[in-house]
Amino acid sequence: GDQVEQSPSALSLHEGTGSALRCNFTTTMRAVQWFRKNSRGSLINLFYLASGTKENGRLKSAFDSKERYSTLHIRDAQLEDSGTYFCAAPGGYKVVFGSGTRLLVSP
Amino acid sequence: EAAVTQSPRSKVAVTGGKVTLSCHQTNNHDYMYWYRQDTGHGLRLIHYSYVADSTEKGDIPDGYKASRPSQENFSLILELASLSQTAVYFCASSRDWGVEQYFGPGTRLTVL
Repeated sequence: GDQVEQSPSALSLHEGTGSALRCNFTTTMRAVQWFRKNSRGSLINLFYLASGTKENGRLKSAFDSKERYSTLHIRDAQLEDSGTYFCAAPGGYKVVFGSGTRLLVSP
Repeated sequence: EAAVTQSPRSKVAVTGGKVTLSCHQTNNHDYMYWYRQDTGHGLRLIHYSYVADSTEKGDIPDGYKASRPSQENFSLILELASLSQTAVYFCASSRDWGVEQYFGPGTRLTVL
């Protein structure tokens, strides 16, 4: 069965606001990677974490292997943040992906 | 400078035809991967390779072959393209298994 549950599946934000995305894992993962698929279809690496938190500009991610989840926080959302966000985690012999969160930032 | 490149960026193929997607990385990574992404879904692993001249099956290898002639190059081959293989294909590389992956820009394949 699915090993990663990503939520929400879709999210709408006004410019300047923020929210959080979440991935729950059914098994213990040793790391998580977050990336964004932009309007051109390219996958942009955002974070790779084996534990704790990382912050980059208006984005912040946390990963708790024991509690089996990871979050991606977006603050002061901008129009260019729109896209689909994915989490991915190596589990056993393969990397499992969340189904993505489609984020739309509007004026 | 992009470290993982793919060609072509988009392709239209006919059912039953042969399609080859190419991937090139300059990261000096041992691992390379081919994924497909369908609208509304995450990425699914087709084939991967951890050394030149060797490939391994991923989760959905049926209908696909892979070739790793060198550390830098990894190809995905559809011998008999089918409608169900219409998707966006991503190549990626990583230093080791389970560590951060770096993705190419993707190839949009449409099979008619």
